[in-house]
Amino acid sequence: DAGVIQSPRHEVTEMGQEVTLRCKPISGHDYLFWYRQTMMRGLELLIYFNNNVPIDDSGMPEDRFSAKMPNASFSTLKIQPSEPRDSAVYFCASSLRVTEAFFGQGTRLTVV
Amino acid sequence: AQSVAQPEDQVNVAEGNPLTVKCTYSVSGNPYLFWYVQYPNRGLQFLLKYITGDNLVKGSYGFEAEFNKSQTSFHLKKPSALVSDSALYFCAVRVFYGQNFVFGPGTRLSVLP
Repeated sequence: DAGVIQSPRHEVTEMGQEVTLRCKPISGHDYLFWYRQTMMRGLELLIYFNNNVPIDDSGMPEDRFSAKMPNASFSTLKIQPSEPRDSAVYFCASSLRVTEAFFGQGTRLTVV
Repeated sequence: AQSVAQPEDQVNVAEGNPLTVKCTYSVSGNPYLFWYVQYPNRGLQFLLKYITGDNLVKGSYGFEAEFNKSQTSFHLKKPSALVSDSALYFCAVRVFYGQNFVFGPGTRLSVLP
């Protein structure tokens, strides 16, 4: 398996624009996690899914953030409108129950 | 609430010396514990895990960790550090009922030649 695949790797956008981050989990994994990493706040869980159903979205910072998982092989994290404070590295990870999570390479988002 | 603490922001060790990166946790029920490593501009890479069984677990690149239930600790160790081990290390606990991962703040390891 190619591992967890995220796209794009880098995104630079202007404040107010919509940003969509994409993730393809490892085939067969039934848990998918979205994390955000910043120097100030470290690694934060934004939302996670089990069998394509959102289980806990309490980490989503505001209504500007939304995440979907329309099927077992694809998830999106959308920010609309984007703000400079959203600049961070966003990671997607997938796992089976109980086992370790496998992380993608991340998307570095810069909002100017 | 579940939490993970890594009391040292930075650990410096000389190449060839043993290293320890500390982790303590607080969780309801039996913990599933993990260590990850992150190199610059990369995602987190899994090193090792404790689910059940032997308290000493061995993982990738010569790393090992010891689960200590009474001290609620899961320290990462390596007998002989390499310069290439320099990276950011994260301890994590997976809560059984919710199944999400809670990560510690990370410890930056620097191995000096």
